[in-house]
Amino acid sequence: QQQVKQSPQSLIVQKGGISIINCAYENTAFDYFPWYQQFPGKGPALLIAIRPDVSEKKEGRFTISFNKSAKQFSLHIMDSQPGDSATYFCAAGDSSYKLIFGSGTRLLVRP
Amino acid sequence: KAGVTQTPRYLIKTRGQQVTLSCSPISGHRSVSWYQQTPGQGLQFLFEYFSETQRNKGNFPGRFSGRQFSNSRSEMNVSTLELGDSALYLCASSLPPGGAVTGELFFGEGSRLTVL
Repeated sequence: QQQVKQSPQSLIVQKGGISIINCAYENTAFDYFPWYQQFPGKGPALLIAIRPDVSEKKEGRFTISFNKSAKQFSLHIMDSQPGDSATYFCAAGDSSYKLIFGSGTRLLVRP
Repeated sequence: KAGVTQTPRYLIKTRGQQVTLSCSPISGHRSVSWYQQTPGQGLQFLFEYFSETQRNKGNFPGRFSGRQFSNSRSEMNVSTLELGDSALYLCASSLPPGGAVTGELFFGEGSRLTVL
């Protein structure tokens, strides 16, 4: 019940294309859903986050879509760029002072 | 403003040894969390500390322990190392108590432990 399932494991997109990463959760107590971006040799960094009272949040080329009834949320990267090539983690949190992370998606954007 | 600092960055140990990893949070951050990152497993929560108190612990054996000092710096210790403990250990700090309000964790670059 504490798991966050993330797919796909890896993704290859052409420059200018749309990258889509999906996550699903079971625990209805989760009330915070961030996405983290990690470059090789670096720690993860917060990219964008959403709370369940909204269905979509957009920041630049990055959009989170949230479906509370389906317990799913996704990250869309519009106009994907080679610089977006990184590993992306979805996560879910509640009031227990921890985040449950998905297993990660390695995104490669080809020039 | 300096980020989260973790030391050492790389270390190699042999089975049965113990290791201590250190984390200095961002100035003013009082919550420190530790995560283990392995290929294909994502980030697994180890524990979280606030004001020298452990407030939550993940599903790891008792060989994994941690503590936080009065200046918010934290250490984690792994005793009787096993091959499966090879991983990147990430420390993260947050400003609000536990980060539960914003959820934003600021991660260090990690300590990469190799157990031979």
